[in-house]
Amino acid sequence: GAVVSQHPSWVICKSGTSVKIECRSLDFQATTMFWYRQFPKQSLMLMATSNEGSKATYEQGVEKDKFLINHASLTLSTLTVTSAHPEDSSFYICSASRPLEQPQHFGDGTRLSIL
Amino acid sequence: DQQVKQNSPSLSVQEGRISILNCDYTNSMFDYFLWYKKYPAEGPTFLISISSIKDKNEDGRFTVFLNKSAKHLSLHIVPSQPGDSAVYFCAASTTFSSGSARQLTFGSGTQLTVLP
Repeated sequence: GAVVSQHPSWVICKSGTSVKIECRSLDFQATTMFWYRQFPKQSLMLMATSNEGSKATYEQGVEKDKFLINHASLTLSTLTVTSAHPEDSSFYICSASRPLEQPQHFGDGTRLSIL
Repeated sequence: DQQVKQNSPSLSVQEGRISILNCDYTNSMFDYFLWYKKYPAEGPTFLISISSIKDKNEDGRFTVFLNKSAKHLSLHIVPSQPGDSAVYFCAASTTFSSGSARQLTFGSGTQLTVLP
């Protein structure tokens, strides 16, 4: 069964709206979760590492104020795309691994479409 | 600079034959390698992995080979089935500083089509 749950699976909204995406580890505690972004027919690009109880670590070129990450509990990380614009339209995916185990398990992703 | 490369964007094979997907990497610090399978609008599904201390790992129809000197790994699927048609991503990682989780660097993917 699913190990990581991501919600919602599809979002369509107007430009300027903020959108929150949730990522949950279902049967384990994840001190670290990862957020990726995928453009059509391209690879998954790591955006940030979400650390429970501390600030997220962002990859170079990812705007911290645009993509807010909150990892308030050991089973939930959220990604908020603030003031979204059409260029933010993409497929966002989170992942987590059981502590001290491999591999990373991925959520089913969120298709974000900004009109 | 792409640290993980999958130079073949697509591959077609006949059902029952072997599928060989290739992946090259440049970062010698990578010590763990994984293959994921991905369908459109879904997250990647883990297939098989290999540690840098090994040169082969087998799981059913899937075998991963690692050639550290060449910085090359490959995924063999035999026999191939139509249900194997998907995008396959190669990924590599190093040990995270805390040892608790690893960042993954992905290749660009190879679309495998298995023809019936």
